[in-house]
Amino acid sequence: GESVGLHLPTLSVQEGDNSIINCAYSNSASDYFIWYKQESGKGPQFIIDIRSNMDKRQGQRVTVLLNKTVKHLSLQIAATQPGDSAVYFCAENPSKYKLSFGAGTTVTVRA
Amino acid sequence: GAVVSQHPSWVICKSGTSVKIECRSLDFQATTMFWYRQFPKQSLMLMATSNEGSKATYEQGVEKDKFLINHASLTLSTLTVTSAHPEDSSFYICSVLGPQGYEQYFGPGTRLTVT
Repeated sequence: GESVGLHLPTLSVQEGDNSIINCAYSNSASDYFIWYKQESGKGPQFIIDIRSNMDKRQGQRVTVLLNKTVKHLSLQIAATQPGDSAVYFCAENPSKYKLSFGAGTTVTVRA
Repeated sequence: GAVVSQHPSWVICKSGTSVKIECRSLDFQATTMFWYRQFPKQSLMLMATSNEGSKATYEQGVEKDKFLINHASLTLSTLTVTSAHPEDSSFYICSVLGPQGYEQYFGPGTRLTVT
């Protein structure tokens, strides 16, 4: 079936730099997208979401961009901090209520 | 968002025994909860959708007789892994469908190890 995927499994970023995490989705019926952060041994933590009628949404230090034409989702983290080190998952809702998760990108912040 | 707890946070059981995992919505009455399984270095895979007062809906390939789900109240859903085997060892995570009807809030997960 269709699923969400990520372009890169790992990302190493210098502390203070901006991070960009990419995600490709394949289900054109999805109208809701979410980014989650998961630290080792913990459950996913909501970061930011966006509905399909929007192209961009900003939060605190994070921005999500949605390009429906190429089915691409990205998460930008400004001024990356050591506490941002984690696995980041994008997720989409291919059907009502359900979420389909991508493979995850491991972000490592270098001091 | 909703605050979700799970108990226990980790459990070790012997092969052939059953183990129950609890998922509680602490500040929100959750009609719908979800159970996911996550193997090491992999993504979350939805196992089933738990609806209060009715039978759970299982994803394709998930054995409903092995993974028993009971959503007896608006704040509690339980997942019982019956006759556990080492291949059932995994990280089990529950989530709550939030008040807006599309967002999910996740619990901290339960690490199950079957020896």
